Amino acid sequence: GAVVSQHPSWVICKSGTSVKIECRSLDFQATTMFWYRQFPKQSLMLMATSNEGSKATYEQGVEKDKFLINHASLTLSTLTVTSAHPEDSSFYICSARGFEQGQGYTFGSGTRLTVV
Amino acid sequence: DAKTTQPTSMDCAEGRAANLPCNHSTISGNEYVYWYRQIHSQGPQYIIHGLKNNETNEMASLIITEDRKSSTLILPHATLRDTAVYYCIVRVYFGNEKLTFGTGTRLTIIP
Repeated sequence: GAVVSQHPSWVICKSGTSVKIECRSLDFQATTMFWYRQFPKQSLMLMATSNEGSKATYEQGVEKDKFLINHASLTLSTLTVTSAHPEDSSFYICSARGFEQGQGYTFGSGTRLTVV
Repeated sequence: DAKTTQPTSMDCAEGRAANLPCNHSTISGNEYVYWYRQIHSQGPQYIIHGLKNNETNEMASLIITEDRKSSTLILPHATLRDTAVYYCIVRVYFGNEKLTFGTGTRLTIIP
C-alpha cells in the first residue's frame, strides 16, 4: 500500500533556530501534500496544502513566512519552522494523495517538535 | 465538506464488537464517508470508506443508513490495540481537497 515517510520523528531545538521536517511518498507520486499540526489532546488542524511546483496554500491564521513549505518534487515536501519559539512546540503531521490513490489520504508518522 | 458529529468517548470490552456512530445529516450526494483512526502519537491511519452501500474490509465494517445521514463503524472483535481516536469525515471522492478533522471519538478497549 501507499507509504508516506516523515523525518525526523522527533526533534528538540533551541528557541530562535529553524527546523526542517521532510515528508516523502515512498511508492507513489504525490501531486498534493498537506501539513497538519496537533496540540496535546486536540484534533489535527490543517496548516497548508502544497502542490508540486507551485506555492503552498495556507489556512487562515497560519503565518506563511514562519512555516515555509516547499514541494519541489512529486515525492518530497518539506516544512521549515523558522525562528521557532516554545509555542511552536507541537506534533506536525504530513499527508499525501497521489494520482491513483483511490482509497484516500496517506499520513506520515508525525514529528514531535519541542522548542526549548 | 459536510460536518460530522461523533460521541466524545466510548468504552468497549476486549473481544466484543465496537460500534462507533457518526452523524452527517448535511452530507451531499457526491460525498463519501471516510473513517480514520489515530493511535497515540502516530499519524492517522485509513480504515474504510463508502458512499451508500455497506462496506467491509479486513479492519472493519461500515454501515451507512439509507438516507445517508448517519453511519456506524464496526470493529468486530476489538483488541487492546484498537484503543485510539476514531475520526469520521465526509468529503468528495475525487480531487485533492483538504481533509478536515473533527474532534473524533476516543475509543478505549477495556481488558
